[in-house]
Amino acid sequence: NAGVIQTPRHKVTGKGQEATLWCEPISGHSAVFWYRQTIVQGLEFLTYFRNQAPIDDSGMPKERFSAQMPNQSHSTLKIQSTQPQDSAVYLCASSLGGKNTGQLYFGEGSKLTVL
Amino acid sequence: GDSVTQKQGQVTLSEDDFLFINCTYSTTTYPTLFWYVQYPGQGPQLLLKVTTANNKGISRGFEATYDKGTTSFHLQKASVQESDSAVYFCALNTGANTGKLTFGHGTILRVHP
Repeated sequence: NAGVIQTPRHKVTGKGQEATLWCEPISGHSAVFWYRQTIVQGLEFLTYFRNQAPIDDSGMPKERFSAQMPNQSHSTLKIQSTQPQDSAVYLCASSLGGKNTGQLYFGEGSKLTVL
Repeated sequence: GDSVTQKQGQVTLSEDDFLFINCTYSTTTYPTLFWYVQYPGQGPQLLLKVTTANNKGISRGFEATYDKGTTSFHLQKASVQESDSAVYFCALNTGANTGKLTFGHGTILRVHP
């Protein structure tokens, strides 16, 4: 059982460049979440999908952030025109849902550094 | 909106000390409450959860009681080990079957041998 896989583990971009982060959820999990972690803000919810459909993107900065889940084994988080304040660890998590709602399995995260 | 407060940013203990990490929450609904633990270089992982008020969750020697009266969910352990050093997050889930969690800011636990 591989767990949630996130790539890349580390990414460095220049200000204004685009960054795409990938997530492979645990097979059979119906829900996929994206969170952002920083020292100042802690763990912030960004968005989530259930059965590949977008359900709640209330935490996503509207202008430059987007997330997709084109199939059940793959989700992406794209940040356009990256800014230094986007530097963070981006965490993907998946969940079985149902009675296990809230039991999230997190990946190791993708650390984004914007210079 | 929902919120979770962890007053302690860091707790430093020696092995075999008693652990107490403070957590209080605010919500207008009936939450499920969680403690997650994050080790260096890893994502958070579930430590324990409690779905019903006045119940206690127990896992790996840690315990927490869902106290609806004081809106608290403090984490305790009778005797900590150096391997317990990590960041501990209190969280709640109020979205019906969404799994969307609101996390506290986290408490860093350092245990010296």
